Amino acid sequence: AQKITQTQPGMFVQEKEAVTLDCTYDTSDPSYGLFWYKQPSSGEMIFLIYQGSYDQQNATEGRYSLNFQKARKSANLVISASQLGDSAMYFCAMRASGNTPLVFGKGTRLSVIA
Amino acid sequence: DGGITQSPKYLFRKEGQNVTLSCEQNLNHDAMYWYRQDPGQGLRLIYYSQIVNDFQKGDIAEGYSVSREKKESFPLTVTSAQKNPTAFYLCASSIAQTNQPQHFGDGTRLSIL
Repeated sequence: AQKITQTQPGMFVQEKEAVTLDCTYDTSDPSYGLFWYKQPSSGEMIFLIYQGSYDQQNATEGRYSLNFQKARKSANLVISASQLGDSAMYFCAMRASGNTPLVFGKGTRLSVIA
Repeated sequence: DGGITQSPKYLFRKEGQNVTLSCEQNLNHDAMYWYRQDPGQGLRLIYYSQIVNDFQKGDIAEGYSVSREKKESFPLTVTSAQKNPTAFYLCASSIAQTNQPQHFGDGTRLSIL
């Protein structure tokens, strides 16, 4: 079974600063994928970034990067140059193989302060 | 535009009533999923389907039922057996590969009258 742990219920960051959202995972499968989603107050789930277990380099997508430390089983999301529009819930999720469902953490609420 | 459509956006249920939440996708995805989200919580899996005419229970299937008669459609029925149905329900679909994200609909908010 897979498990995702997000230990920060809420985070605050100053506008234009960088912020790291923590995610640790647990799985016995050697092949897996890690995902981050953003959920604004309107409720939709927006896919941000993906990291595969065999990827040699950390994933990056614009202002989002994933700090993947396989030995520690962590997949932290780094948001650079925070904007007011980044205020939202952020969920870490994983999938062990194929089209099995994503398993989600409980999320971190990020608030960006002007 | 390809995507996932959930309807209705808001739904109210009376005591003892069954209600059905609609989920339609035109992404040609094989797999579809239903999640429940309670305030301040993560997403919990209710049911999922990897192929037409087949589906599996998730972690919290009790009080819910689904069908998958067409690839595009995966309706969720919240039965009267579900005693605490008030929540935000999200439908998703994906390609059957580990590295492909799940695409989500905009959700249905269900409340008890």
